Amino acid sequence: AQSVSQHNHHVILSEAASLELGCNYSYGGTVNLFWYVQYPGQHLQLLLKYFSGDPLVKGIKGFEAEFIKSKFSFNLRKPSVQWSDTAEYFCAVRRNTGFQKLVFGTGTRLLVSP
Amino acid sequence: NAGVMQNPRHLVRRRGQEARLRCSPMKGHSHVYWYRQLPEEGLKFMVYLQKENIIDESGMPKERFSAEFPKEGPSILRIQQVVRGDSAAYFCASSPDGPYGYTFGSGTRLTVV
Repeated sequence: AQSVSQHNHHVILSEAASLELGCNYSYGGTVNLFWYVQYPGQHLQLLLKYFSGDPLVKGIKGFEAEFIKSKFSFNLRKPSVQWSDTAEYFCAVRRNTGFQKLVFGTGTRLLVSP
Repeated sequence: NAGVMQNPRHLVRRRGQEARLRCSPMKGHSHVYWYRQLPEEGLKFMVYLQKENIIDESGMPKERFSAEFPKEGPSILRIQQVVRGDSAAYFCASSPDGPYGYTFGSGTRLTVV
């Protein structure tokens, strides 16, 4: 069965620091990749997604992610975080065939101190 | 175009009661997915439905849980005889036909007392 690993469970950064959150998946076939953000008390919002093409994907709010197929990774990055980026971030993977369910990682809680 | 609507936002049930969670997908979306988020855990897939059909229920507990998506009306996730361990946030998502990203609803937070 496919799985998604997010190795950093909690990350604490100061404002203006750079961010990189790791995401690795186990499925060897063609996949679609997603990053979602969940602000405290709110629902999940899509940050960015990768289906095909340029492996460097730009998302909303200055986030980007790079798909490295050889490493089965889809790490999320932001050059300079803000206090308002405090949230939980989830990586998700979906096989590109068959039923379209998403498999989520366990999430990374980011706390940005002002 | 309204987003995915879930109600109620908060639901409190006593042990042994039934919980009914509703999800109205975005207009034009015929695929509905239910996920459960337990405290300190990520989202776990429960069930995937299309109109009048359950496509994948591999994440549903074998007992007490059921889901439907009738021809008319919202999708319903039903939990019978709730227990404390059912306390969680239940999220619904919808997508149109094809390989598009989901749109999530705001969730229903179920508390079993």
